[in-house]
Amino acid sequence: EAAVTQSPRNKVTVTGGNVTLSCRQTNSHNYMYWYRQDTGHGLRLIHYSYGAGNLQIGDVPDGYKATRTTQEDFFLLLELASPSQTSLYFCASSEGVQAPLFGEGTRLSVL
Amino acid sequence: AQKVTQTQTSISVMEKTTVTMDCVYETQDSSYFLFWYKQTASGEIVFLIRQDSYKKENATVGHYSLNFQKPKSSIGLIITATQIEDSAVYFCAMRERGNSGTYQRFGTGTKLQVVP
Repeated sequence: EAAVTQSPRNKVTVTGGNVTLSCRQTNSHNYMYWYRQDTGHGLRLIHYSYGAGNLQIGDVPDGYKATRTTQEDFFLLLELASPSQTSLYFCASSEGVQAPLFGEGTRLSVL
Repeated sequence: AQKVTQTQTSISVMEKTTVTMDCVYETQDSSYFLFWYKQTASGEIVFLIRQDSYKKENATVGHYSLNFQKPKSSIGLIITATQIEDSAVYFCAMRERGNSGTYQRFGTGTKLQVVP
């Protein structure tokens, strides 16, 4: 069964802390994405990748790094977390012109 | 960059009626793909329906259909015979080409409340 799994589901950290959000897909999709969702902004693209070792910059990349270690795994890194990065984060995967399949989301709070 | 705009922030309708949610987009591509998603109260994002720009027929899936008006760059979502379970946030999106690869650009969403 096609799936995108994010971990952790919830995370609380302090300003200046390091955070890694993980995403794994079992769909054999080439594309993977990280979005953040904030009230009034919808879903905004942070980074995306079309294969292992590939990384593309999205619309709101500042303060975020990402790494695609395998076709299945895509990580989002916040090395110096700030309160402005408090948000709901979604990972997704897709292939061709198909609609992306989304994970369940990770709620991050930066205090 | 392309743009996707949803101007309706929230809508409330009576159960069993029909509702239309608006979406307009901007693109320079001659061929493009448009999508609608539903986000439930639990946060789950589910794909509903897609329209390919080169197709003249409006897409239909179950009680969801699209009103695709290409000259107006408009792609409205129509839900007929609404049910309480249709209460959710609905997002319009467009497939966009980046410098390398493609991704989805989303609108800001419309919150639908279906009341008995």
